[in-house]
Amino acid sequence: LAKTTQPISMDSYEGQEVNITCSHNNIATNDYITWYQQFPSQGPRFIIQGYKTKVTNEVASLFIPADRKSSTLSLPRVSLSDTAVYYCLVLNFNKFYFGSGTKLNVKP
Amino acid sequence: SQTIHQWPATLVQPVGSPLSLECTVEGTSNPNLYWYRQAAGRGLQLLFYSVGIGQISSEVPQNLSASRPQDRQFILSSKKLLLSDSGFYLCAWSSGTSGRGTQYFGPGTRLTVL
Repeated sequence: LAKTTQPISMDSYEGQEVNITCSHNNIATNDYITWYQQFPSQGPRFIIQGYKTKVTNEVASLFIPADRKSSTLSLPRVSLSDTAVYYCLVLNFNKFYFGSGTKLNVKP
Repeated sequence: SQTIHQWPATLVQPVGSPLSLECTVEGTSNPNLYWYRQAAGRGLQLLFYSVGIGQISSEVPQNLSASRPQDRQFILSSKKLLLSDSGFYLCAWSSGTSGRGTQYFGPGTRLTVL
């Protein structure tokens, strides 16, 4: 399973766009890149998943370059309620491993 | 739509006592089921996963065990709790036949062993 590396923490202000980058140098051909959000004392919540190029949903965008060795989660116009831990995972069915994630702190 | 339940939400147990945490999934059949533990300020540690009734794979040898008596029921147990068993326990499911393995998590159980 590919190991991922992401910043431990980030600060932002309300209304700004936040980009969190994750590196996964050992990603395999069949692996998908998945991002989760977790609030304190809650289970992680699926945000977005992609294989290559760009994926967008109502919550976020995911940018994946051609070599797929990194990915960037983009959160448009964050609010205080986006303060959470964000996990980047590389998965290939059935099981995967969570790292420590990126703690995003949104300030007023 | 699919729903995953866990209970109890919180639990305080003395050292040496037994443990039983239950997880059930609604709205899907033949799910893959998972138990994770999360220590304070840390990421999730995969403990067990199951691809079918009676099929359990252990990721970390420890004081815990898991069982899957029914298709959509997953139980985490211990005969004698240790202080180190304290943590936030999360159950998750993923589609067993389709999708890309995306897992969906329950609300979790906060276990404190005193």
